[in-house]
Amino acid sequence: SQQGEEDPQALSIQEGENATMNCSYKTSINNLQWYRQNSGRGLVHLILIRSNEREKHSGRLRVTLDTSKKSSSLLITASRAADTASYFCATPPVGGGGSNYKLTFGKGTLLTVNP
Amino acid sequence: NAGVTQTPKFRVLKTGQSMTLLCAQDMNHEYMYWYRQDPGMGLRLIHYSVGEGTTAKGEVPDGYNVSRLKKQNFLLGLESAAPSQTSVYFCASKPGGPTGELFFGEGSRLTVL
Repeated sequence: SQQGEEDPQALSIQEGENATMNCSYKTSINNLQWYRQNSGRGLVHLILIRSNEREKHSGRLRVTLDTSKKSSSLLITASRAADTASYFCATPPVGGGGSNYKLTFGKGTLLTVNP
Repeated sequence: NAGVTQTPKFRVLKTGQSMTLLCAQDMNHEYMYWYRQDPGMGLRLIHYSVGEGTTAKGEVPDGYNVSRLKKQNFLLGLESAAPSQTSVYFCASKPGGPTGELFFGEGSRLTVL
C-alpha cells in the first residue's frame, strides 16, 4: 500500500527562487529516495537518504529526514526552468519490513519554474 | 549502455485483445519491476521479480501476467485488455540487495478502446 505522500501537489515559482517539497510516510523506514520525472519521460533517481542521516546534499539539492516526524523534505536551491518536473518520494511499503527492494511512490509534486 | 529499454512505446488495443510489453536491461540487475502510472494515482506496482525465473505480485496485479525467463528481460502480458488498463507502464530495474536506486525505462503508453 502507498507509504509516502508529497506536499504540495503543485508548486509554481520564479527562476532563481528556492523550491521546497515535503514527503510524509507512515511506518519506519531504513531509507527514503527522491526521484524526478520530466513530462513524458521515465523517473530518474535524485538522492537516497538513510534513516541514520538527517541531511544530505547533492549539487543544488538538499534533502532532510526527520524520522521522529516521519517526514522528509527536498529543497532545490536557485531553481532553473530545466527543474520543471514532477518530484516523487519513494519508500518501502507499509509492512515491508524496511527493505526497499519493493519501493512505493507518492503521487508527486509538480514543480513549475517560470523563466 | 542503453540502461532499461521498453517496447513498444505506444500501443492502441481494442477491449479483449492481448499484448505483451517487453522490458530489457543491460546492467545485469537482479531486480525488475513493472509499474503503472495514472493521473492522480502516482505509480503503482503491478508485478516484480527478484531474480531470473521468479516473479511476485505487487499492489495491482489483477489482469496482468509476467515472466522472467532471462535475467535481462521482464515481460508484462495483458491476456484480455480492458479500458481500465489504459495507462502508462514503466519498467524499472535495480541491483541486488535491500537498498539502492531504481533505474527506469522511458515508459509505454497503452490505450485500450
